[in-house]
Amino acid sequence: NAGVTQTPKFQVLKTGQSMTLQCAQDMNHEYMSWYRQDPGMGLRLIHYSVGAGITDQGEVPNGYNVSRSTTEDFPLRLLSAAPSQTSVYFCASSVAGAPYNEQFFGPGTRLTVL
Amino acid sequence: GQQLNQSPQSMFIQEGEDVSMNCTSSSIFNTWLWYKQDPGEGPVLLIALYKAGELTSNGRLTAQFGITRKDSFLNISASIPSDVGIYFCSGSSNTGKLIFGQGTTLQVKP
Repeated sequence: NAGVTQTPKFQVLKTGQSMTLQCAQDMNHEYMSWYRQDPGMGLRLIHYSVGAGITDQGEVPNGYNVSRSTTEDFPLRLLSAAPSQTSVYFCASSVAGAPYNEQFFGPGTRLTVL
Repeated sequence: GQQLNQSPQSMFIQEGEDVSMNCTSSSIFNTWLWYKQDPGEGPVLLIALYKAGELTSNGRLTAQFGITRKDSFLNISASIPSDVGIYFCSGSSNTGKLIFGQGTTLQVKP
């Protein structure tokens, strides 16, 4: 199993541009989530999904959209990038039954917004 | 909202020394998880704790779920250079969502 994969690994955007961060998992996990990591602030939850067709907001959802059309994929969309969105983004997944526990993380996408 | 306070923020120790770090919460958690993040990688789960008072080991790592359910600690014995990284505590309460501490950056001098 590849586990949780994320693309791209690095990305530079200009203010106002849009893009989609891709996340896929091959473990048949129902729960998937997106976090951002900023220095000294740990990981903060952006959006999460408890299954295909179901998404909800986390702690810092503004400026981001998500959808979950399949169990495997959970893309994160930035509609109009802002410098405040410069961060490292991690996707994570876990099995159903313990949806918020024992999450497996992808390698991250390092995003810079100029 | 819920917050986790993790300390210390950073540690610089000599190889072979023992390490201790802890997390405290203003509210009760049902689960405590400890993760390690290597440079340029995503966090990897080290230990999961599900019961107040639980003490669990994973090799040289030992973690405990505080009896008050508001704290947890992680100990690393006989540190080695590959222990370098950022250690995160995380917890979940009745809301179900994971809350992460700010992280403890560990550096080990050979």
